[in-house]
Amino acid sequence: DTAVSQTPKYLVTQMGNDKSIKCEQNLGHDTMYWYKQDSKKFLKIMFSYNNKELIINETVPNRFSPKSPDKAHLNLHINSLELGDSAVYFCASSLGRARSPNQPQHFGDGTRLSIL
Amino acid sequence: AQTVTQSQPEMSVQEAETVTLSCTYDTSESNYYLFWYKQPPSRQMILVIRQEAYKQQNATENRFSVNFQKAAKSFSLKISDSQLGDTAMYFCAFVGDQTGANNLFFGTGTRLTVIP
Repeated sequence: DTAVSQTPKYLVTQMGNDKSIKCEQNLGHDTMYWYKQDSKKFLKIMFSYNNKELIINETVPNRFSPKSPDKAHLNLHINSLELGDSAVYFCASSLGRARSPNQPQHFGDGTRLSIL
Repeated sequence: AQTVTQSQPEMSVQEAETVTLSCTYDTSESNYYLFWYKQPPSRQMILVIRQEAYKQQNATENRFSVNFQKAAKSFSLKISDSQLGDTAMYFCAFVGDQTGANNLFFGTGTRLTVIP
């Protein structure tokens, strides 16, 4: 009965490779997000999607491409991985703004990406 | 632009004692929502407590309560009767009502250690 699930939990790969992280939520939420947590634990929004449509892209390099096949899924694909991409990536979801603007976000357990 | 500041990178408290974590924020929005999230060593992001800016009454959740001072733009978290399981990173977060999505802006976090 996991609410927001991300796979994989750990990802170790070489510089230059392409990788994807998957996220699924079974909460019936309208909005999904990707956050990046750096080595100093700072969390920053990357993208948000509302009902499969991109709402926010916070100056993320275009090597990062989110894909939302339906409102329950938001996958993150990263091309040409660089050392600076090493971080923990969190997926989250919440009820859409129009329905419940103050609803908290529910987070997945994070994916630790390590670039060798 | 929204900013969230947590001025205490690390804190410690004796088990069963009370500790207060500070958070200040800056925004030009008139309505917004504030949250405290907890991140234990397991890496999960867990909602602790939330506050709507239009509510004057401070939110409480069991041993957790906030001191919300809207004029001072301050939102501190008080943990009473501290338990070993409270050891974690604590993040203060803000979301404004005007932006197009519920993007959370996080502070840099406070690492709390509960000492037995």
